[in-house]
Amino acid sequence: AQTVTQSQPEMSVQEAETVTLSCTYDTSESDYYLFWYKQPPSRQMILVIRQEAYKQQNATENRFSVNFQKAAKSFSLKISDSQLGDAAMYFCAYGWSGGSEKLVFGKGTKLTVNP
Amino acid sequence: GAGVSQTPSNKVTEKGKYVELRCDPISGHTALYWYRQSLGQGPEFLIYFQGTGAADDSGLPNDRFFAVRPEGSVSTLKIQRTERGDSAVYLCASRGQRDSEAFFGQGTRLTVV
Repeated sequence: AQTVTQSQPEMSVQEAETVTLSCTYDTSESDYYLFWYKQPPSRQMILVIRQEAYKQQNATENRFSVNFQKAAKSFSLKISDSQLGDAAMYFCAYGWSGGSEKLVFGKGTKLTVNP
Repeated sequence: GAGVSQTPSNKVTEKGKYVELRCDPISGHTALYWYRQSLGQGPEFLIYFQGTGAADDSGLPNDRFFAVRPEGSVSTLKIQRTERGDSAVYLCASRGQRDSEAFFGQGTRLTVV
């Protein structure tokens, strides 16, 4: 069974600084997706960034980038120039490309941004 | 609609009662998912619909939980004989056929007292 582990229950960062959130996963599949979702107090899960496992190049979306290490099964999220609006719960998720493509989530990391 | 809509936003019910939670997916999305998020945890998969049929219900915790999607759009998650342990946020997500991304609603917070 696939598992996703986020080892940092909480992280904090100063506004305008950079922070990295860690995620590791376990799977025997070769074709899958990895995601980072943001969940503010409104509860809605918002996609931050996604990575296809077959792509070697790390995904980037504006201030958000990932470090995808397929052999190590590691998928960390880097947030640059942190803003107050980045404060939220962040969830790492795995989705297998075959079958239902249901997502397996980690337990989340609560990010605090200090002014 | 513009996004995934879930109603009600919050629901308080007494132990032993029956509840229905509704999900209205993005128009045209054939895939629909239900997840349950307990306090301090990430969402956990419950059931997946492709069109009208439940293609994967392996996450339903027991036979008190049931979901339907009779016309391939709106889905209802039904919980019988609710227990205090059912208290959680129930999230719905939908996905288009060519998308790798699932879009989530704002969830229903269910509290069983």
